[in-house]
Amino acid sequence: GDSVTQMEGPVTLSEEAFLTINCTYTATGYPSLFWYVQYPGEGLQLLLKATKADDKGSNKGFEATYRKETTSFHLEKGSVQVSDSAVYFCALSDTGTASKLTFGTGTRLQVTL
Amino acid sequence: DAMVIQNPRYQVTQFGKPVTLSCSQTLNHNVMYWYQQKSSQAPKLLFHYYDKDFNNEADTPDNFQSRRPNTSFCFLDIRSPGLGDAAMYLCATSRAGVGAGARTQYFGPGTRLLVL
Repeated sequence: GDSVTQMEGPVTLSEEAFLTINCTYTATGYPSLFWYVQYPGEGLQLLLKATKADDKGSNKGFEATYRKETTSFHLEKGSVQVSDSAVYFCALSDTGTASKLTFGTGTRLQVTL
Repeated sequence: DAMVIQNPRYQVTQFGKPVTLSCSQTLNHNVMYWYQQKSSQAPKLLFHYYDKDFNNEADTPDNFQSRRPNTSFCFLDIRSPGLGDAAMYLCATSRAGVGAGARTQYFGPGTRLLVL
């Protein structure tokens, strides 16, 4: 079945540092790929997505590229801020009519001054 | 703005006392989902509605039920909450089909359930 593997957290960075959170997937067919962010006590917010190979999703300075050859969708940001502290989930959507999501385990990011 | 709304944001119930959580959406999406999320874990899908068709996940306990009276609303009923049902409950919606925007789930802010 489909699966998503994310790097273990927590990740602790100083403000303005470069961020990478690794995500790899296993899926049949051509899934869509997503990054969701969850702030404490809140629901999941869609951060970015990519629907086909070589697509780059971007939002709020975050980027991720759909790499079919390496089955990866790594999240990057050039300069993190304290306000980026949250849990980040990588996910894929299957090709079925209901588009079920398969989530990674989540990576907690803590940014300090 | 089009959105997914969940009420209440916090719900306290007693062990064994039925509770209902609600979700509404202004996105006019035909698929609605309910997830359970426990601390430090990824959300776990309980069930979803594709239009009026109910689809239960194989490992969802019978204690959890759902109703979707119309496109906009969906309810999660917990018939006899146990201490282990304390969690964040997330509602999400998506537009089925192909093309830009399809297959993307949009989440509400969640309802945190406390069972005493």
